[in-house]
Amino acid sequence: DADVTQTPRNRITKTGKRIMLECSQTKGHDRMYWYRQDPGLGLQLIYYSFDVKDINKGEISDGYSVSRQAQAKFSLSLESAIPNQTALYFCATSDSGLVSGGNYNEQFFGPGTRLTVL
Amino acid sequence: GNSVTQMEGPVTLSEEAFLTINCTYTATGYPSLFWYVQYPGEGLQLLLKATKADDKGSNKGFEATYRKETTSFHLEKGSVQVSDSAVYFCALRGDTGRRALTFGSGTRLQVQP
Repeated sequence: DADVTQTPRNRITKTGKRIMLECSQTKGHDRMYWYRQDPGLGLQLIYYSFDVKDINKGEISDGYSVSRQAQAKFSLSLESAIPNQTALYFCATSDSGLVSGGNYNEQFFGPGTRLTVL
Repeated sequence: GNSVTQMEGPVTLSEEAFLTINCTYTATGYPSLFWYVQYPGEGLQLLLKATKADDKGSNKGFEATYRKETTSFHLEKGSVQVSDSAVYFCALRGDTGRRALTFGSGTRLQVQP
């Protein structure tokens, strides 16, 4: 089973609709991230969370909100979707090393959600 | 702020050719540097990393050396295979603050048999 899962994998919606993308992880990591990928622009950070009560805006948070329901779950919402939010969305996790003493540098990515807003 | 610049693609090579994908960065202090690879239809995977100047990261035949004097972290492989066809992302993580990774725009590599 994949360590970082995202649902749905593909979604087509209409302008103005509310959309939620979900991310779950079984790696036991404390940090989770949401990125969007647009052709030619690499990945841009939307929001990140360093633990359940620590949520921070990234580079492009406008039009998005997040919820960290548990250490293992981090969802991204588009309250009123618009066409320029059409993109590939990735969730990622990392270990801060504060508890495990492990490698805090590497981020592990989910398979992505392809969102199309018509 | 931090930024990463990498060469535009696509890069098209024949099998067994030598690969270089250039990456330069702007950051204060001593960032950690990474190369991630994205195969078709998949998420990103860490390919290699270097956490201090002059470190060489290596994995699966790929190498990159952290050059602080030129602020570069170029990816190289001596002999590419068709299976190396993917998009490669250079990224950095700053040594201060609480930011996540800063990515370059990605370089698509196409290896032909």
